[in-house]
Amino acid sequence: KQEVTQIPAALSVPEGENLVLNCSFTDSAIYNLQWFRQDPGKGLTSLLLIQSSQREQTSGRLNASLDKSSGRSTLYIAASQPGDSATYLCAVRPYNQGGKLIFGQGTELSVKP
Amino acid sequence: EAGVTQFPSHSVIEKGQTVTLRCDPISGHDNLYWYRRVMGKEIKFLLHFVKESKQDESGMPNNRFLAERTGGTYSTLKVQPAELEDSGVYFCASSQVVGVQQYFGPGTRLTVT
Repeated sequence: KQEVTQIPAALSVPEGENLVLNCSFTDSAIYNLQWFRQDPGKGLTSLLLIQSSQREQTSGRLNASLDKSSGRSTLYIAASQPGDSATYLCAVRPYNQGGKLIFGQGTELSVKP
Repeated sequence: EAGVTQFPSHSVIEKGQTVTLRCDPISGHDNLYWYRRVMGKEIKFLLHFVKESKQDESGMPNNRFLAERTGGTYSTLKVQPAELEDSGVYFCASSQVVGVQQYFGPGTRLTVT
């Protein structure tokens, strides 16, 4: 059974710091992995999607890596800003289970001015 | 282009009552997913429609939950009768095809008292 774990559960950093959020999954049989952002009271916004054949994806200050064999992904945020404060969620799409996504519990990030 | 919309944004009902949640996917998206997040837990998959057909309903918790998507457009999720443990945030997502980015709605917060 696929399980997704995110560490840490919460993180508080001063503005300007570079930071790394971690995601691990127990079964490497996945099609892809997505990182989402959720602001309070809002839906999920997709940040980056990495296909199983890819090693990383970049968008602006965000870089996500995927090591499928070890069951790990990281989301790197460069030069953090207060506007980056949100909950970050990692989700995998397992093989042979249709389109469902399996989520981690998320990391709540707070960037202090 | 309008995003995924959900109605209501918040519902408070008493145990034993019935509630119906609605989701309007992005126009043209054949795939529609329901997920929910209960307090302190990760977001979990409930079911997946392809047009009006249930592709995967393996995540539906019990027979008090009924999802429909008549005509392959909007979907409803009915909970009857509601129990305290049904409280949480119910998310809807849609995608054009399986395996590509899923676009999430803002969620419906359900509180059962």
